[in-house]
Amino acid sequence: DVKVTQSSRYLVKRTGEKVFLECVQDMDHENMFWYRQDPGLGLRLIYFSYDVKMKEKGDIPEGYSVSREKKERFSLILESASTNQTSMYLCATSSVIRLSETQYFGPGTRLLVL
Amino acid sequence: RKEVEQDPGPFNVPEGATVAFNCTYSNSASQSFFWYRQDCRKEPKLLMSVYSSGNEDGRFTAQLNRASQYISLLIRDSKLSDSATYLCVVNSPNSGGGADGLTFGKGTHLIIQP
Repeated sequence: DVKVTQSSRYLVKRTGEKVFLECVQDMDHENMFWYRQDPGLGLRLIYFSYDVKMKEKGDIPEGYSVSREKKERFSLILESASTNQTSMYLCATSSVIRLSETQYFGPGTRLLVL
Repeated sequence: RKEVEQDPGPFNVPEGATVAFNCTYSNSASQSFFWYRQDCRKEPKLLMSVYSSGNEDGRFTAQLNRASQYISLLIRDSKLSDSATYLCVVNSPNSGGGADGLTFGKGTHLIIQP
C-alpha cells in the first residue's frame, strides 16, 4: 500500500509567520503534488514536482513555494502566512511510469492562520 | 482550459435507494477516468477507475460515455456509510493538469438518510 504522510494534522499560525508543511511518501513515486481544498472551490493545485529538484507552478502558486531535495519528500512553504491561506492542505503522489495510475493522498493538514 | 463539472448537491437519498450522478468533462482527448470518495474532514481516496466498457464493484457501477463526454456513478441499495463527497477525476495528458494531467471535479455531496 502506498503510504503518504504529512507532518501535521492541525496547525495554528499567526499572520506573517513562515510555515513549513512536509509530505513524505514511501512508494518511490516520481510525481508529488500540493493542493489546497476549500468549501465550494474543490481541490486546487498549488505546485507539483515530477523529479528531485524539479518544480512546476499549479493553478494558485502565489504566496507559496516548494522544495524537493529528496525523491520521497516534498515541502510546501508559506513565506509569510496570511489569513486567506487558512485551508486544508493535501499532498498527493503518483507514478510517472504508469500513466493510468491515479493519485494517492496524505491525510491532510488543516491550517488556521490567525 | 479543460474542465470537469459535477452537480455539487447535496443529494439526499433514503437508505436502500439507488442514486446516480454524472460528471462531464470538456477535453475530448481525456484518457483515464476515476471516481474518488472523500469523507468529511478526510483525504480523497480512490473508489474505482472507470473503463470504456463500464465496470462494477459490488453495489457501485461506473460508466463512461465518450460521445457525450460524461462519466456516471450508480450506487444501488445505498447504505448510511455511503454518505460522502464523490469526486470525479479525469486524466488528460499534456493539458496542464499537473505532471500527470489529472483534473479533479469539485465533488457531489451525498447524504443517505435513515
